Amino acid sequence: DVKVTQSSRYLVKRTGEKVFLECVQDMDHENMFWYRQDPGLGLRLIYFSYDVKMKEKGDIPEGYSVSREKKERFSLILESTSTNQTSMYLCASSLGQGLSPLHFGNGTRLTVT
Amino acid sequence: GNSVTQMEGPVTLSEEAFLTINCTYTATGYPSLFWYVQYPGEGLQLLLKATKADDKGSNKGFEATYRKETTSFHLEKGSVQVSDSAVYFCALSFLSNDYKLSFGAGTTVTVRA
Repeated sequence: DVKVTQSSRYLVKRTGEKVFLECVQDMDHENMFWYRQDPGLGLRLIYFSYDVKMKEKGDIPEGYSVSREKKERFSLILESTSTNQTSMYLCASSLGQGLSPLHFGNGTRLTVT
Repeated sequence: GNSVTQMEGPVTLSEEAFLTINCTYTATGYPSLFWYVQYPGEGLQLLLKATKADDKGSNKGFEATYRKETTSFHLEKGSVQVSDSAVYFCALSFLSNDYKLSFGAGTTVTVRA
């Protein structure tokens, strides 16, 4: 089974702090994604990557950046957190062939106070 | 742009009841359609998919048929169980751009014994 592991389940940060959200997948998947999940809005794509050192903006990249130095690891960076970044963050990966399904991690609940 | 609209929840049912969750989409062309499910405390997982008109996806007793004429992909299950309590997401993507899934807002389903 594919395993997508997110480093933290819950995080509480103060406004202005820097946050790294880490995600690791163990199935040699090409594609990796970061989504945020908010009630009534579903999942919105922040950034994705289809190869090491490659990244593409999703629908809501403002206030975020990403890093993919190794194939198995995809990090989401919040340089200076704000309260409107309080959300559930979901990492996902996929094989990258045709319509391969996304495999999701269990999520990180970030609260910015 | 591409978008997915699904019925608002929450939906509360008794065990063995019939479940329908409506999903309609707006897209240029003919997307592939998906249902993902998120059980409490977990990440999303693919439930079923359909890649062309009139295709029926099925899994775990759930079914959905890709209806091009009504741009719909409604999810149905004939007899729900308590273990089906989850959040259900409808989504679409294009083969030419399968990195990006567009998700609906999600429908929370609670099944009572």
